[in-house]
Amino acid sequence: GAVVSQHPSWVICKSGTSVKIECRSLDFQATTMFWYRQFPKQSLMLMATSNEGSKATYEQGVEKDKFLINHASLTLSTLTVTSAHPEDSSFYICSARLPGLAGYNEQFFGPGTRLTVL
Amino acid sequence: GDSVTQMEGPVTLSEEAFLTINCTYTATGYPSLFWYVQYPGEGLQLLLKATKADDKGSNKGFEATYRKETTSFHLEKGSVQVSDSAVYFCALRLKAAGNKLTFGGGTRVLVKP
Repeated sequence: GAVVSQHPSWVICKSGTSVKIECRSLDFQATTMFWYRQFPKQSLMLMATSNEGSKATYEQGVEKDKFLINHASLTLSTLTVTSAHPEDSSFYICSARLPGLAGYNEQFFGPGTRLTVL
Repeated sequence: GDSVTQMEGPVTLSEEAFLTINCTYTATGYPSLFWYVQYPGEGLQLLLKATKADDKGSNKGFEATYRKETTSFHLEKGSVQVSDSAVYFCALRLKAAGNKLTFGGGTRVLVKP
């Protein structure tokens, strides 16, 4: 199946710094990518939908100025957590939607990035 | 709003045991239902799906039937293997909600030899 990678797989940063997480579709072009956040023992919560060449669509309650999303190419979307604080510590997961299929366009998920803010 | 509830884990089983993971949903329309599996160190993978009532999704020995009357989509496997150890997520998707996936909390399954 289609492969999605994330980099880095884990990152530790100091409070107040910014962290960039990359999501790449390795063997297909994805016009749409999604960013999720997962707290321990909780479900994945959709943060935003990233569309290539246009602004991301954020879910209610997600600060767009804090979680900057850029989808500059058909294979790369980035999530930048700006001025990170300990409460931003979480597991961030991206997915990419395979275009062109009729009906349900399956999402392919990356392995996730664990962010720890000290 | 739309939501998915699944049983909390961890679920610990012996090899060849029968596995059931309960999943119920709340939705304002008629969702499509999914089970995803996440093996250690990997991304979520679609395991099976059902798009309408009474549909049965199946894959790799796993089955789940879309029960509209009980709003459920329980996952079952008759004889688990150690390689089935993973986290399983139930999810729904509604066209009216922009085809976004809504996930349950995940159930960790550990199969011991």
